[in-house]
Parts: sequence; C-alpha cells; structure tokens
Amino acid sequence: GAVVSQHPSWVICKSGTSVKIECRSLDFQATTMFWYRQFPKQSLMLMATSNEGSKATYEQGVEKDKFLINHASLTLSTLTVTSAHPEDSSFYICSARDLSGVAHGETQYFGPGTRLLVL
Amino acid sequence: RKEVEQDPGPFNVPEGATVAFNCTYSNSASQSFFWYRQDCRKEPKLLMSVYSSGNEDGRFTAQLNRASQYISLLIRDSKLSDSATYLCVVTSYSGAGSYQLTFGKGTKLSVIP
Repeated sequence: GAVVSQHPSWVICKSGTSVKIECRSLDFQATTMFWYRQFPKQSLMLMATSNEGSKATYEQGVEKDKFLINHASLTLSTLTVTSAHPEDSSFYICSARDLSGVAHGETQYFGPGTRLLVL
Repeated sequence: RKEVEQDPGPFNVPEGATVAFNCTYSNSASQSFFWYRQDCRKEPKLLMSVYSSGNEDGRFTAQLNRASQYISLLIRDSKLSDSATYLCVVTSYSGAGSYQLTFGKGTKLSVIP
C-alpha cells in the first residue's frame, strides 16, 4: 500500500523556537496533503489542506502565520510551527491522497506522526 | 451537535466476546464512511470502508444506515490484538476535487485475557 513518512518522529524544543515537520509520500505523488493535530484523548482535527504549487487552505481557528505550510513538490509538504509555545505540544499527523487509481480515490494514507513537546 | 459522534467507551471485553461500536454523523451530504483503528501513540490506519449494503471482512462487519445517519462496527471473537481505539470517519466534499475527513473521538477497546 501507499506509504507516507514524517520526520522527525518526535521533537522537544524550548518555547519560542520554530519547528519544521516534513511529510513525504514515498511511492506515489500527492497533489494534496493534509495536516492534522491530535491532543490526548481527543479526535484528530484537520488543521489545513496543503496543495502542491499553491497556498494552503486553513481550517477555522488555525493561524496561518503560526503554522506555515509549504508544498513545494508532489511528494513533500512541510509544516513549520513558528514561535512554538507549550500549548502547541501535540501529535501532528499528515496524510496524503493517492489518486493513481491503485487506492480508493478518497482513502488517505497517514504518516506515523510527529510528537511535539514544547517546554 | 458534534459532526461525528461515537460511543465514549472504554469497552473492556473478554477474549472471544462480540463487541459493537456505534457512530452517528450530522452532515447528511457526507459521501463516504470508514472505520479506522488507532493504536496508542500511533497514526490511524484504515480498517475498512463502510457501504450501504453492509460489508464484512473476516471477524469485522460494518453497516451504514444513511437515513438514520448511523454507522456501526461489529467485531466477533475478539482477540487481544484487537485492543485499540476505533475511529469512525466520514468524508464530505470540500470543493476543488478534494474530500475532507472528519473523525470521531474514537472508542477505546480493551480485550482482556
């Protein structure tokens, strides 16, 4: 099946620093990738939709200037948490859709997630 | 009303038991329906799609009732390895050829020896 990787798998940083998370589709091209956040015992919440070659679409309540998304190629999207604060500590997961016809067009494949802890 | 609502759980069942999870969704225009499984500190993984006609995959049976906006998952002969959180997921069209997934909070299942 389709594989999505994320890097790093976990990050511990000081308050005020910026953290970049990479999401890669390894064996398929993804024009659209999605970034989610999950707090403990909560559901995954969509933060933004990352579109290759264009601006990301952010969900209501998500600050676009704080969570910078870049989708520079068909296999890579990055999420940068700028000036991270303790309340940004969470599990960040990306996903990508494989539209090659091999997989169900609406099925999203998830990366393994990145755990961010801001001290 | 939450967009996707699930039984709060947790469900603690003995090995071999049959367990059923329920889910309701609020958006009547929802297109597709799935059950995902999420292990502790891991990403969600697709368990199965849910079709109006109902579908079965081994010990797992999923049902969809569009009129009632209700989805179910039945697990028969529970195994220890079934212990996980089960997420009800609904997709809706968000424009520009893209579909958006909406997740329930999940129901935690613990299968006890």
